[in-house]
Order: sequence, then C-alpha cells, then structure tokens
Amino acid sequence: DSGVTQTPKHLITATGQRVTLRCSPRSGDLSVYWYQQSLDQGLQFLIQYYNGEERAKGNILERFSAQQFPDLHSELNLSSLELGDSVLYFCASSVQGGGRTDTQYFGPGTRLTVL
Amino acid sequence: GDSVTQMEGPVTLSEEAFLTINCTYTATGYPSLFWYVQYPGEGLQLLLKATKADDKGSNKGFEATYRKETTSFHLEKGSVQVSDSAVYFCALSDPGSARQLTFGSGTQLTVLP
Repeated sequence: DSGVTQTPKHLITATGQRVTLRCSPRSGDLSVYWYQQSLDQGLQFLIQYYNGEERAKGNILERFSAQQFPDLHSELNLSSLELGDSVLYFCASSVQGGGRTDTQYFGPGTRLTVL
Repeated sequence: GDSVTQMEGPVTLSEEAFLTINCTYTATGYPSLFWYVQYPGEGLQLLLKATKADDKGSNKGFEATYRKETTSFHLEKGSVQVSDSAVYFCALSDPGSARQLTFGSGTQLTVLP
C-alpha cells in the first residue's frame, strides 16, 4: 500500500457526460501528479500540482481539468467524454514536487469506461 | 525531449532463471532513474531508484545500476519467482526540466513454475 488513495476504483458512464476522479496523497506529500495509461499510448503525464498551484502540464486535453484543494487532495474532471477516454487514470504524490531525490508514489488507479 | 526505451516483451522465464530487462534513456539533463512494477489489476509500485551515475538501486533481489556513459539502467535479478510475474516499467525524472516521470513502454514478465 503506497498510501495514495484514489476513488472510485471503477467508473462507468456514457459519452458526453462529465466525471470527477479523486486522489488523496500520502501524508506529508505536497505534490500530486495525474497520469493516464492506455494500451496504445502507455503511461502519459497529464498534469502536476504542488501545494495547490499548477506546476506542470503534459498531454492533457482541454476537456480535462484538475485542481488541488487546501487539504491537498486533488480532483481530475473529465468532460464531454468520448469512447477513447476509456483508460486507466493514476494519481501519484511526492514530497517536494521535483528534485533529484524526489520520488513519486502511485495510487491504485481509476478505470473509466465510457459507453 | 526525454525518452525511455525498454526491451520488447513479453519475457517468459522458468522459476530460478536469471532476469535482465534492458532500459536505455535519452535526457536533456541529468535525470534520476526508476523501475516501477505493476501487478495485474494494481497500480504502479516503486521497485528501486538511482539518482546519480554509478548508483545501484536494489530491492527484493532486483538490482539496477545507473550507467551514465551508456545511458542505461538495466534491471536484473539472479533468481526469479512465480510471484515476480508482472509488468516492469523503466522511468526517468529530469530535475533540470520537467518534473514528471517519462516511462518506457513496459515489459511483461511471466515466470513459470
């Protein structure tokens, strides 16, 4: 158990809908990262927050957004969902949000299915 | 940009065989290197890491040495077990530029009894 929690574990919805994925980082970690994992693209970085502020952005679609709250939990919002959004979404957390020795610890993931 | 190349899988071994999974990287800066493991239906678990050249990361019998001259971080284990069956990902984090992890494509390992 990494100490990072993600809810829900599975999510089934329909095209065009909007969903919210939730992540709670390890105790003491200030940074949260979101990744998606698909068979064709592998693991791709989406976005990073550090202590409530956006710090880095990767291949995140405009239909997707995220935020980190004062208690440091983070939410990833996915809207106008398409069939191709049916992948695994992982959250990771780290203490510093960067630096040579900083290490990311991953949650168990949320599997999204768009029908 | 940064990239990680892993040996193609899947890899199938008998129990107690020697394991090597090759990993090479390209980075604009001086990265930290990681191996993560993903068991079926689970998230990624950190297996080991190395943060500077010639460092050796080790955990649960797995080892990998950071070779800056060959830009490699090959994963090895002397005697694999059935319970090692999983997908292994090599990754880098470049502190000089982006902070996110860049992953290889993953190598599926199956160990047969």
